[in-house]
Amino acid sequence: EPEVTQTPSHQVTQMGQEVILRCVPISNHLYFYWYRQILGQKVEFLVSFYNNEISEKSEIFDDQFSVERPDGSNFTLKIRSTKLEDSAMYFCASSVASSYNEQFFGPGTRLTVL
Amino acid sequence: QQQVKQSPQSLIVQKGGISIINCAYENTAFDYFPWYQQFPGKGPALLIAIRPDVSEKKEGRFTISFNKSAKQFSLHIMDSQPGDSATYFCAASDTGNQFYFGTGTSLTVIP
Repeated sequence: EPEVTQTPSHQVTQMGQEVILRCVPISNHLYFYWYRQILGQKVEFLVSFYNNEISEKSEIFDDQFSVERPDGSNFTLKIRSTKLEDSAMYFCASSVASSYNEQFFGPGTRLTVL
Repeated sequence: QQQVKQSPQSLIVQKGGISIINCAYENTAFDYFPWYQQFPGKGPALLIAIRPDVSEKKEGRFTISFNKSAKQFSLHIMDSQPGDSATYFCAASDTGNQFYFGTGTSLTVIP
């Protein structure tokens, strides 16, 4: 069964450093998403991406965040200058189409900012 | 601003019992209400979803009840099993893309 994969599973970084979280969506999916979940809290939407551009983003997704689909398979989330409060589980998701289609989530990357 | 409120935070149910998780929302533009199930170390997985044109949707042991006038929806798990032990999130969306999640309910089913 196809699945969304994410690497690394755990990333530890120093405050102020840049990190790139990587995701490989399901191959025939066209819509890609990033969510985050701070420990013990709810899952929060960050951004959706389609046709090589951002389609929606939340207030959390400020200028320190960026997304990219550098090739035909990977989808990345870059955090330019990490803050302590960026520590969270980051989930990538993909769907075959937009608007009310099932989003398939990856297992997540736990980001720890020291 | 909490778009979707979920309760209870945790729930313990005997095997064979009914698990009920409730959610409430404020934004009347929401028109898609999925429930996600998350096991430790895994990402959320879609369990069941409902649109507001129906008041109930059933898939196997899982039922969503939807009350549009009260702006509430709930998940019922019939004949709860130990394998159902997981965290459950309700969510809502008005675009079908950006989901607003509830805070989650940790369900434990005791054998």
